[in-house]
Amino acid sequence: SAVISQKPSRDICQRGTSLTIQCQVDSQVTMMFWYRQQPGQSLTLIATANQGSEATYESGFVIDKFPISRPNLTFSTLTVSNMSPEDSSIYLCSVDDGRLNEQFFGPGTRLTVL
Amino acid sequence: GQQLNQSPQSMFIQEGEDVSMNCTSSSIFNTWLWYKQDPGEGPVLLIALYKAGELTSNGRLTAQFGITRKDSFLNISASIPSDVGIYFCAGPTQSNDYKLSFGAGTTVTVRA
Repeated sequence: SAVISQKPSRDICQRGTSLTIQCQVDSQVTMMFWYRQQPGQSLTLIATANQGSEATYESGFVIDKFPISRPNLTFSTLTVSNMSPEDSSIYLCSVDDGRLNEQFFGPGTRLTVL
Repeated sequence: GQQLNQSPQSMFIQEGEDVSMNCTSSSIFNTWLWYKQDPGEGPVLLIALYKAGELTSNGRLTAQFGITRKDSFLNISASIPSDVGIYFCAGPTQSNDYKLSFGAGTTVTVRA
């Protein structure tokens, strides 16, 4: 399976600021995904990021709040904009090789907003 | 997305015990996935199931794809302290859809 890294691993931010999270994969993948995991909760899909097209957002998530870039087949970024304490969560990226529905996850970015 | 009901929500297990957790859906699934998440880490794929009735093992873990295609269970045999974590079931939101829905998770704690 692909090896996925995320930066930063954790951060503490002030409300009103923005944070960009990076996701790097060691092989080329077609589909990358961004999830949010609120404290003590399960994973919720934010958006699907395919190279060469706009990200597709799930209900409840908008591009202005969570802009995503996917400049190539091994890299993506998620920005959490104008943060509030409610944005405190773990943000995870994952990849899918497009054949078997199996997704592989990065280690996550633990965000705390004060 | 499809609703996945995972139970139990949490369990305390004695080292050496066999334990079981399950997931049900109101809709038919073509794929069932089981993940484990350790504290401070991302979920790790344990077992993937693709056919109704399929029974698959990965070490002390065994998972089955229910015949009705609306349920799956995961068994852990002879539990050890490193089995502590949160276990999630997951499956595609629709047939041939690459997006996954996740169950609420089962938190496993090993009783010393």
